[in-house]
Amino acid sequence: GAGVSQSPSNKVTEKGKDVELRCDPISGHTALYWYRQSLGQGLEFLIYFQGNSAPDKSGLPSDRFSAERTGGSVSTLTIQRTQQEDSAVYLCASSLVGAGGPGGSPLHFGNGTRLTVT
Amino acid sequence: GESVGLHLPTLSVQEGDNSIINCAYSNSASDYFIWYKQESGKGPQFIIDIRSNMDKRQGQRVTVLLNKTVKHLSLQIAATQPGDSAVYFCAERPRYSSASKIIFGSGTRLSIRP
Repeated sequence: GAGVSQSPSNKVTEKGKDVELRCDPISGHTALYWYRQSLGQGLEFLIYFQGNSAPDKSGLPSDRFSAERTGGSVSTLTIQRTQQEDSAVYLCASSLVGAGGPGGSPLHFGNGTRLTVT
Repeated sequence: GESVGLHLPTLSVQEGDNSIINCAYSNSASDYFIWYKQESGKGPQFIIDIRSNMDKRQGQRVTVLLNKTVKHLSLQIAATQPGDSAVYFCAERPRYSSASKIIFGSGTRLSIRP
């Protein structure tokens, strides 16, 4: 079946512009996650959704970052007034239920959006 | 703060040999651990997971071992193949955190010698 889909796969933007990144999770997955991965680094947690609500947005780096999820499905990550340090691969993942715990399930990732801020 | 780190940033293994990738975690309250494989240009791919009430779990050609006493996690790959070349990440869920926050380590690159 279809996996997690992210668009665009690549985005080049000028410093100061706003960008929107989209994530289509696996159908039926209730939990959705956003991570950021800088070159050669691990994954930095940004935000997590359960349904349409975000119980944990502790990883958002600044108030320029926001995310929403509608209909318990598609999510968009918005970065306002982009800066060069925002350049990274932004990864989205979904899981059937929240990861971990007695009823938890692992995260399934998309291939990411590579964001370059010039 | 808490962290999940790896003992070896790179690992070179002869094709056909077994590979062992190690990971140290610092949060003794973590109760769920996952190994991911990431190939160039792709998102991380789930390999295997283990909960803290277990010390070993086996999959196809892979085994994860958990030693809670020394807070150590390892991934063993049997009969390593060229297709196993990738960066491997361990990840943990600190029980004190929100129900679903997963923290990733910085990764180990596995390269296969022919």
